[in-house]
Amino acid sequence: DIVMTQSPDSLGVSLGERATINCKSSQNILYSSRNQNYLAWYQQKPGQPPKLLIYWASTRASGVPDRFSGSGSGTDFTLTISSLQAEDVAVYYCQQYYIPPVTFGPGTKVDVK
Amino acid sequence: QVQLVESGGGVVRPGTSLRLSCVGSGFTFRGYGIHWVRQAPGKGLEWVASLAHDGSNKRYVDTVKGRFIVSRDNSKNTVYLEMNGLRPEDTGVYHCAKDETVYGEGAWYFDLWGRGTLVSVSS
Repeated sequence: DIVMTQSPDSLGVSLGERATINCKSSQNILYSSRNQNYLAWYQQKPGQPPKLLIYWASTRASGVPDRFSGSGSGTDFTLTISSLQAEDVAVYYCQQYYIPPVTFGPGTKVDVK
Repeated sequence: QVQLVESGGGVVRPGTSLRLSCVGSGFTFRGYGIHWVRQAPGKGLEWVASLAHDGSNKRYVDTVKGRFIVSRDNSKNTVYLEMNGLRPEDTGVYHCAKDETVYGEGAWYFDLWGRGTLVSVSS
């Protein structure tokens, strides 16, 4: 199985500042012939189900604010919140869907500093 | 309203069975693969099982193979997860989630999630 790791475990960021979350896969999840990375990002607020933010590593899901962006390729990926808002306090998960079983990272908790 | 709603969770003894249901509305249910993802208390997300839009291509995580069965009834907009031989490590909130891709083999990332139903396995 592909193992997903995330760093840091938790992150305190001042309102309006940038938050950066890293995700690493244990093997390449870039499908070279399609030039697509099989990686998604989710946001989970307390007491709520996860919400899809990003897929194909950098495509924002419908309705997701443009302060959220995804980047990276191969095995190393990043989710960036360009200007943290209070409503962004949540746990963020990356997920690979390159090879079954799909697997998630352990999550990164983002708080307001 | 586009949504998925799970039900059927509860507190059960090890070795017993439960059947979870996931009802979809507000979208063409029969066109989408549905996945089950669980979350142990205070922990992260673990994919459990999936089936394609037509009920084919059923897949399971190794830890539930032979114990869990996923099925669907598109006439009722419902997917089921039959869980047998439950173990304490099966405890968690079980979410159903919709695949993003209509028909086909599915994309295996999830654009709509239900709030989940809690399964607690304890003696």
